[in-house]
Amino acid sequence: EVQLVESGGGLVQPGASLKLSCVASGFTFSDYWMSWVRQTPGKTMEWIGDIKYDGSYTNYAPSLKNRFTISRDNAKSTLYLQMSNVRSEDTATYYCTRCDSTGSTPFAYWGQGTLVTVSS
Amino acid sequence: DIQMTQSPSFLSASVGDRVTINCKASQNINRYLNWYQQKLGEAPKLLIYNANSLQTGIPSRFSGSGSGTDFTLTISSLQPEDVATYFCLQHNSWPYTFGAGTKLELK
Repeated sequence: EVQLVESGGGLVQPGASLKLSCVASGFTFSDYWMSWVRQTPGKTMEWIGDIKYDGSYTNYAPSLKNRFTISRDNAKSTLYLQMSNVRSEDTATYYCTRCDSTGSTPFAYWGQGTLVTVSS
Repeated sequence: DIQMTQSPSFLSASVGDRVTINCKASQNINRYLNWYQQKLGEAPKLLIYNANSLQTGIPSRFSGSGSGTDFTLTISSLQPEDVATYFCLQHNSWPYTFGAGTKLELK
């Protein structure tokens, strides 16, 4: 069974940095592209970015690419999201996602999410 | 960016009703459209991918149709457990974009 478990969220001050993690199990992590998606308190969904299965390529939402960095450690089956200079509008639940088994569609599997609250 | 306009924002229906939710893309996305269901306090769940393919394990009362710019999610006979918010997603081109969601409640 595919399992994705995010962690690292919490209360953070504006301007600070935060690193989220997503531990994967139930599949060969190094075979799949992975993605981060966030959902604001108002329920708006936003794609953050993707990373290729070997970590050699990343792609980001243009509005976030200067502050957010996606990386992975295939030996630890772990996906990361490094957030820097966070703002109040970054307050959201952050989800780790995986495409389906054939690679024909993104966001087939989701973690339970981790909540990030940006506030002083 | 491709804009996804989802309608209605809110929908109230009775058990057994046929329910339709629409998404309109601001440009051609071929058939690269997914539908998700999100129940209160849970992560989204993939229902339909690539416009009309039913995800494994999803009841057959859910179906999707459309191509190009206009897409529809249909629930053929609404069940109490279908109360949720539904989102569409285009994955034709980066940046992937979501619809604003449709909140479905029981009448």
